[in-house]
Amino acid sequence: EEQLLESGGGLVQPGGSLTLSCAASGFTFSGQAMTWVRQVPGKGLEWVSTISGSGDYTYYGDPVKGRFTISRDNSKNILYLQMNSLRAEDTAIYFCSKEILEWLFDPWGQGTLVTVSS
Amino acid sequence: DIQMTQSPSSLSASVGDRVTITCRASQSISTYLNWYQQKPGKAPKLLIYGASSLQSGVPSKFSGSGSGTDFTLTISSLQPEDFATYYCQQSFSSPPTFGGGTKVEIK
Repeated sequence: EEQLLESGGGLVQPGGSLTLSCAASGFTFSGQAMTWVRQVPGKGLEWVSTISGSGDYTYYGDPVKGRFTISRDNSKNILYLQMNSLRAEDTAIYFCSKEILEWLFDPWGQGTLVTVSS
Repeated sequence: DIQMTQSPSSLSASVGDRVTITCRASQSISTYLNWYQQKPGKAPKLLIYGASSLQSGVPSKFSGSGSGTDFTLTISSLQPEDFATYYCQQSFSSPPTFGGGTKVEIK
């Protein structure tokens, strides 16, 4: 069974940094592009970032470009999201997901909540 | 960016009802349209991709149709486990974008 498990969320002050992790199992991790999608609690879904299977190619949404960095460790089957210069508007649940076709996401992890507040 | 607009934003329906949700893209996306179901406190789950292809394991009461800019998700006979929020998403071009969601509630 394919599984994704996020961790690393929490409360951080504006301007601070946080790194999220997503542990993958049940599939060949290095062969799949991976994605982060976020959701303000009670609101809609917003694509954040995608990384190719090799890690050579990365893509970012405009709201996080220059502040967030997506990476992966294919030896450990872990996806990361390094978030710097955090803003209140980054407060959301962050989900990781496997890309089964270009921009098509399945499955998703259970999410980890990031709260940016002083 | 391609804007995705869902309607209605919420609806009330009874068990056994046939339910239809509409999604409209701001430009043509061919059939690069996907539907997800999200229950409270849970992750989204892929139901339909390519506008009309059922994801493995998803019951056949769910169906999708449409192409170009207008799409529909239909639940043929609503069951208690189907009460959730449904999102459309375009995978035609970057950035991938989602509709605002349709919350299906119990009447």
